[in-house]
Amino acid sequence: AQSVAQPEDQVNVAEGNPLTVKCTYSVSGNPYLFWYVQYPNRGLQFLLKYITGDNLVKGSYGFEAEFNKSQTSFHLKKPSALVSDSALYFCAVRDYRGSGNTGKLIFGQGTTLQVKP
Amino acid sequence: GAGVSQSPSNKVTEKGKDVELRCDPISGHTALYWYRQSLGQGLEFLIYFQGNSAPDKSGLPSDRFSAERTGGSVSTLTIQRTQQEDSAVYLCASSPRGSGGAGDTQYFGPGTRLTVL
Repeated sequence: AQSVAQPEDQVNVAEGNPLTVKCTYSVSGNPYLFWYVQYPNRGLQFLLKYITGDNLVKGSYGFEAEFNKSQTSFHLKKPSALVSDSALYFCAVRDYRGSGNTGKLIFGQGTTLQVKP
Repeated sequence: GAGVSQSPSNKVTEKGKDVELRCDPISGHTALYWYRQSLGQGLEFLIYFQGNSAPDKSGLPSDRFSAERTGGSVSTLTIQRTQQEDSAVYLCASSPRGSGGAGDTQYFGPGTRLTVL
């Protein structure tokens, strides 16, 4: 079965420092990977995705993610964190069945990012 | 352009009552998804519509839950005889294509917060 793991419930960083939010996945077919961010009392906002091609994907708000096939990881990164980056981050993978990709996304449990001034 | 909209934003109901939640997808998107976000279960898939195909109902937790999509656009999620464990945020998303567009981004609405007393 397809799955996504976000091993850290919370990540704390100081403003201006680099940040990493970890994600590992397990999928039978080609991995289609996504990162979303959720601010309090808001829906999910799309940050970036990996479909194919370059392993380093750049997205919104200065975020990027590195796809690593051998480690089955898709960690979210940002060179310099802002206090306004504090939010809940979700990694997701497109579900795959024997006949191909299904419509749904399978989400990790989420990681709360806390950036302190 | 307009994003995904959902109504109501908040719904408080009594145990045993029926509720209807509405989703307006992005115009032209053929695929529509319902997810549920709760503290204990994280983000879980409920149901998925793609064009005129039969919906994927594999995520519906019980037969008290149903959904329809009229005219390939607006969708309504109905919960009959609500229970306290139904309390959650119900999120709707849409994408240009469904399983045929595995790399398509799903865009989420702001959600409906359902509280069952």
